[in-house]
Amino acid sequence: EAGVVQSPRYKIIEKKQPVAFWCNPISGHNTLYWYRQNLGQGPELLIRYENEEAVDDSQLPKDRFSAERLKGVDSTLKIQPAELGDSAVYLCASSFAGQRNEQFFGPGTRLTVL
Amino acid sequence: GNSVTQMEGPVTLSEEAFLTINCTYTATGYPSLFWYVQYPGEGLQLLLKATKADDKGSNKGFEATYRKETTSFHLEKGSVQVSDSAVYFCALRNSGGGADGLTFGKGTHLIIQP
Repeated sequence: EAGVVQSPRYKIIEKKQPVAFWCNPISGHNTLYWYRQNLGQGPELLIRYENEEAVDDSQLPKDRFSAERLKGVDSTLKIQPAELGDSAVYLCASSFAGQRNEQFFGPGTRLTVL
Repeated sequence: GNSVTQMEGPVTLSEEAFLTINCTYTATGYPSLFWYVQYPGEGLQLLLKATKADDKGSNKGFEATYRKETTSFHLEKGSVQVSDSAVYFCALRNSGGGADGLTFGKGTHLIIQP
């Protein structure tokens, strides 16, 4: 069974540029999460989807970050414009709605903003 | 709010040594507790979990017991191997109030020397 897929694995951009990350969750997983992991820290939740609905986006910096999960499967997280402080690893995770204690993580996208 | 505190690393041990990584938490209600492991170049993997007080989670020789009275979930292993070298994250999930993401500690880098 394929795990959570993320792309790209690495991205280097200059500040003020836009960037997008893509996530394909495990087949059948209704719930999708985006986390941000700063260097030397644990991941922090940005947004959670139940199917196509964003049900918890309280930690998403909405002035520059946006996310979508069209059709309730793949998801895209966007930053526009990027700032130096956005350099981090962006992690996607998924789970069955009834098994949220079993979150499966992708390998992450490492973003470097210069 | 929720928070997780774990011992800072790196923790360096010799092969076959006994391992303890301390983890304490702050949360309202009755959270579920987790240990995740991140091997070099890989994504986060669930190592073990416990969902209620006095539960013991175990996997791959690792154990942790949910101690409500001390709000702790210390990770232990009787005899570590070089292949256990990784970063270990303690986390909690508190689904009260509609929140549902994981709250992580900062991670502990474990280095096992042959």
